[in-house]
Amino acid sequence: DQQVKQNSPSLSVQEGRISILNCDYTNSMFDYFLWYKKYPAEGPTFLISISSIKDKNEDGRFTVFLNKSAKHLSLHIVPSQPGDSAVYFCAASETGTASKLTFGTGTRLQVTL
Amino acid sequence: EPEVTQTPSHQVTQMGQEVILRCVPISNHLYFYWYRQILGQKVEFLVSFYNNEISEKSEIFDDQFSVERPDGSNFTLKIRSTKLEDSAMYFCASSGDSMGDPYQPQHFGDGTRLSIL
Repeated sequence: DQQVKQNSPSLSVQEGRISILNCDYTNSMFDYFLWYKKYPAEGPTFLISISSIKDKNEDGRFTVFLNKSAKHLSLHIVPSQPGDSAVYFCAASETGTASKLTFGTGTRLQVTL
Repeated sequence: EPEVTQTPSHQVTQMGQEVILRCVPISNHLYFYWYRQILGQKVEFLVSFYNNEISEKSEIFDDQFSVERPDGSNFTLKIRSTKLEDSAMYFCASSGDSMGDPYQPQHFGDGTRLSIL
């Protein structure tokens, strides 16, 4: 059951450059999309989210873009910093706050000096 | 910043024994969840809880699993008779205050690593 897919298991980016992480989904009932960051031995930390009525949401260095027709979302981090090195998970739910999250498999981001 | 706390951080148990994993959600949150992540796999939903009852559960959440909110602060996951395949990281999450915004993120604890021998 791969309703949320992150096709790139890893990504390496130089410090100061833009990191772009991608996520595709198949369930057209999803209406809320979230990005989480995870360090080893810690739980997922919420980064940024977007509801289906928007196509862009920005919070500091993080921007999430949603393309509903393509069932695709992306997370842009600019500028990338070494502390951004972690595993990033895309997640989605059908009814916002009250609904379970379906996660992707994650993308490991390495920000190099 | 308020956070979700989970205890213990690591639990080692013999197969067939009962385990209780404990969570203290963020205090003004209304929705509570358990997820698990088997090593090398994705995070999977187990169960959601709202207004003192289960609102949704996955096919993983069979009769050996139960959840409880015994008081105003704790939220527990019990596995009655553990199996080897129950070995995983178990994450508790909470979301949703009473302000009515339908789009509020879930916040996760750091997890309990459950090892079944």
